[in-house]
Amino acid sequence: AQTVTQSQPEMSVQEAETVTLSCTYDTSESDYYLFWYKQPPSRQMILVIRQEAYKQQNATENRFSVNFQKAAKSFSLKISDSQLGDAAMYFCAYRAGANSKLTFGKGITLSVRP
Amino acid sequence: NAGVTQTPKFRVLKTGQSMTLLCAQDMNHEYMYWYRQDPGMGLRLIHYSVGEGTTAKGEVPDGYNVSRLKKQNFLLGLESAAPSQTSVYFCASSYGGPGGASSYEQYFGPGTRLTVT
Repeated sequence: AQTVTQSQPEMSVQEAETVTLSCTYDTSESDYYLFWYKQPPSRQMILVIRQEAYKQQNATENRFSVNFQKAAKSFSLKISDSQLGDAAMYFCAYRAGANSKLTFGKGITLSVRP
Repeated sequence: NAGVTQTPKFRVLKTGQSMTLLCAQDMNHEYMYWYRQDPGMGLRLIHYSVGEGTTAKGEVPDGYNVSRLKKQNFLLGLESAAPSQTSVYFCASSYGGPGGASSYEQYFGPGTRLTVT
């Protein structure tokens, strides 16, 4: 079975600084997708970024980028120029290629200090 | 478009009572899902549906039933609520057709906070 591990329950970053959130996963599949979701206090789940396993290039969405290390099964999220609105819980998630089900990590709470 | 909506947003039940959570989507999505979120546990899949009239068990299906009589609706039922079912419940939907990652992107509802006393 696939597993997703987020070992850090909490992190803090100074406004305008950069922070990296860690995620590792375990799978025997060769075709899969990885995601980072943001959950602000409103509880709404928001897709931040996705990465296809077959792509070597790391995904980037504005201030958000990933460091995808396929051999190490690592998928970290880097947030640059952190803003107060980035404070939220972040979930790493995995999906096997032909299977629409998502497997989530336990999440990490990110706080941003002004 | 409203996207994915959930009814109700909050509910308090007594042990042994029953209730149904309603999820509706207006995006003509084939796939729909029910998750529960508990502190320190992330989101866990309860049941899901790959099309009208179909349902399947997820990771934590015990104590729940579901129905997908209409493509746009996915109902989650608790026949006899237990305190262990106190949680935040999320519904999600996805297109499910060909097209790779984007076609399976899941869109989430706002969640329902359920407390069982």
